[in-house]
Amino acid sequence: RKEVEQDPGPFNVPEGATVAFNCTYSNSASQSFFWYRQDCRKEPKLLMSVYSSGNEDGRFTAQLNRASQYISLLIRDSKLSDSATYLCVVFSGGYNKLIFGAGTRLAVHP
Amino acid sequence: NAGVTQTPKFQVLKTGQSMTLQCAQDMNHNSMYWYRQDPGMGLRLIYYSASEGTTDKGEVPNGYNVSRLNKREFSLRLESAAPSQTSVYFCASKGTGNTGELFFGEGSRLTVL
Repeated sequence: RKEVEQDPGPFNVPEGATVAFNCTYSNSASQSFFWYRQDCRKEPKLLMSVYSSGNEDGRFTAQLNRASQYISLLIRDSKLSDSATYLCVVFSGGYNKLIFGAGTRLAVHP
Repeated sequence: NAGVTQTPKFQVLKTGQSMTLQCAQDMNHNSMYWYRQDPGMGLRLIYYSASEGTTDKGEVPNGYNVSRLNKREFSLRLESAAPSQTSVYFCASKGTGNTGELFFGEGSRLTVL
């Protein structure tokens, strides 16, 4: 079993739709959680951190469920510019313990 | 605002050839990393360097060597390239603390024939 698992998608949604991605992780000792965004043929960039209480940044909401060991990302009012691959990242402490999921691809169409 | 710069951006090699990927960061970060990204696999850590003068193996180190030349530079060397090393390679750096924010270079697309 992979340490971090994501549905690869693609999720094809119309503009204005709400879409949610889930990510599960296997290490219960994981400390921190993040969502990265990666545009086609570009480098990944940090989108947002995921806090235990949940957090929101504009149209994006991230949530953590430690009991079930999953994190989620909700995107409201999808824009064409949201089309990208979203990477779930789990940090378990130490320099080599940043584990990336394979990513979920989102395609927003007019 | 250079951030993390890696070269070359594209390279084609023949099996058995050697090459070095260069990476430099100007953010005064202590930690630097080399990842490879393959379809459906996500980013996998090859080597990392917690600070100048130290390097450690990551998840997939076989076939690679690294050098942390100074605080700014962290190079990745393929001594004898194999087709299985065809991939996109990303260098990244991280500041201090338990933060998950990595700053990535633009990537190097390597094809081994």
